[in-house]
Amino acid sequence: DAKTTQPPSMDCAEGRAANLPCNHSTISGNEYVYWYRQIHSQGPQYIIHGLKNNETNEMASLIITEDRKSSTLILPHATLRDTAVYYCIVRVRDDKIIFGKGTRLHILP
Amino acid sequence: EAQVTQNPRYLITVTGKKLTVTCSQNMNHEYMSWYRQDPGLGLRQIYYSMNVEVTDKGDVPEGYKVSRKEKRNFPLILESPSPNQTSLYFCASSFYTGGQETQYFGPGTRLLVL
Repeated sequence: DAKTTQPPSMDCAEGRAANLPCNHSTISGNEYVYWYRQIHSQGPQYIIHGLKNNETNEMASLIITEDRKSSTLILPHATLRDTAVYYCIVRVRDDKIIFGKGTRLHILP
Repeated sequence: EAQVTQNPRYLITVTGKKLTVTCSQNMNHEYMSWYRQDPGLGLRQIYYSMNVEVTDKGDVPEGYKVSRKEKRNFPLILESPSPNQTSLYFCASSFYTGGQETQYFGPGTRLLVL
C-alpha cells in the first residue's frame, strides 16, 4: 500500500500557485519524499524530492513540515500544461516505488 | 539527449503468442524497472534490476520474465500472454547523486492481448 494520502482532485486557476498537499504520517527517518506527475498516458515525470529541508528547482518547490508528517508541492505559476496527476511517494533508496492514486490537478483557464 | 526508449509503443497480440517489449536507456544507469498501469490500480512494479545480471521481483511478477545482460537494456518478456496482461507498461531507469535517487520513465507501451 502507498504510504501517502493525497486529495483525489484539485482545481487551480491558470497563473496562480498550485499547492498540492500530501500526508505521510508514518514516514521513517531514512525515507525521502518524492513528487512525480503524469500527463495523460505519458510516462511519469520526476518533479522534485527532499528529506528534511525545503527544496526548490526550476519546476516546483517542496515544503516539508518540521515533523516530516506532511509536505506540500508548490507550482508557483500554474499553466494549462501542468494539468496532470501528481504523485507523492515516500521511499528509501533502492526500495520499490509505490505509486498511489495521486491528485488529479485541473488548471482552469 | 538522455532518454529511456521502449518498443513497440503499441502492440495487439493474441493469447499465448510470446512477445518481448524492449527498453533501453542511454544514461549508464544501474537501476532499471518495469511497471504496469491499470485504471484504478495505479502504477505497479513488475520487476526491477539493480545491475547487470541482477534482477528481482516487484509486486506483480506473475506471467513476466526479464533479463539484464547489458546495462543499457532491460527487456520485458511475456512467454504466454493472457488478456489480463492488457495494460500500459512503463520502463524506468534510475541514477544516484549525493545518496539520492531519481527515476526517468519511458514513454510507455500499450499492449492489448486478445
